[in-house]
Amino acid sequence: KQEVTQIPAALSVPEGENLVLNCSFTDSAIYNLQWFRQDPGKGLTSLLLIQSSQREQTSGRLNASLDKSSGRSTLYIAASQPGDSATYLCAVRWGGYNKLIFGAGTRLAVHP
Amino acid sequence: DTGVSQNPRHKITKRGQNVTFRCDPISEHNRLYWYRQTLGQGPEFLTYFQNEAQLEKSRLLSDRFSAERPKGSFSTLEIQRTEQGDSAMYLCASSSQTNTGELFFGEGSRLTVL
Repeated sequence: KQEVTQIPAALSVPEGENLVLNCSFTDSAIYNLQWFRQDPGKGLTSLLLIQSSQREQTSGRLNASLDKSSGRSTLYIAASQPGDSATYLCAVRWGGYNKLIFGAGTRLAVHP
Repeated sequence: DTGVSQNPRHKITKRGQNVTFRCDPISEHNRLYWYRQTLGQGPEFLTYFQNEAQLEKSRLLSDRFSAERPKGSFSTLEIQRTEQGDSAMYLCASSSQTNTGELFFGEGSRLTVL
């Protein structure tokens, strides 16, 4: 069964810390992996998309890596800010499928 | 308009009533998805369209749910005889067949069934 797991479920850090959010998935035959941000009561904002042939993608203070062989992706947030507080969702599209399967998300709180 | 648009944003209804949600995808996107999200969970896939063809439906999509995309542009999701368990956020996303496969989501339609 194709599943996506995110650990931890919640994280609280002081402002300025560098942090890592983890995503693991069953079955390494993925097509791509996408990280999203979701603010309370809102839709999803796409942060980074990593194709199966890529190892990492970067956007500003965000860096996402992909290790298909171990079934893992990490989202690295540098110098965290209170405005980064949100839920971060990892989603995988497997080869031969057109839909994304989501993890349950990591709820991040960055306090001043 | 550069994003996915969903209406209404909020809907409160009584059990047993029918509700309909509308999604307008990004104009050049031919793929459209519906997801459902309950509190504290990730979105769950409901159904997928390529142009006007509904190519996949989840088992979550019971016979009370129907989705259409009649002209390959906007889509509607109708829930008949709503139940309290239908209370959730209904999210629409679109993507282009020719791009990287990146999905773009709308703001969602929140349904509360009393």
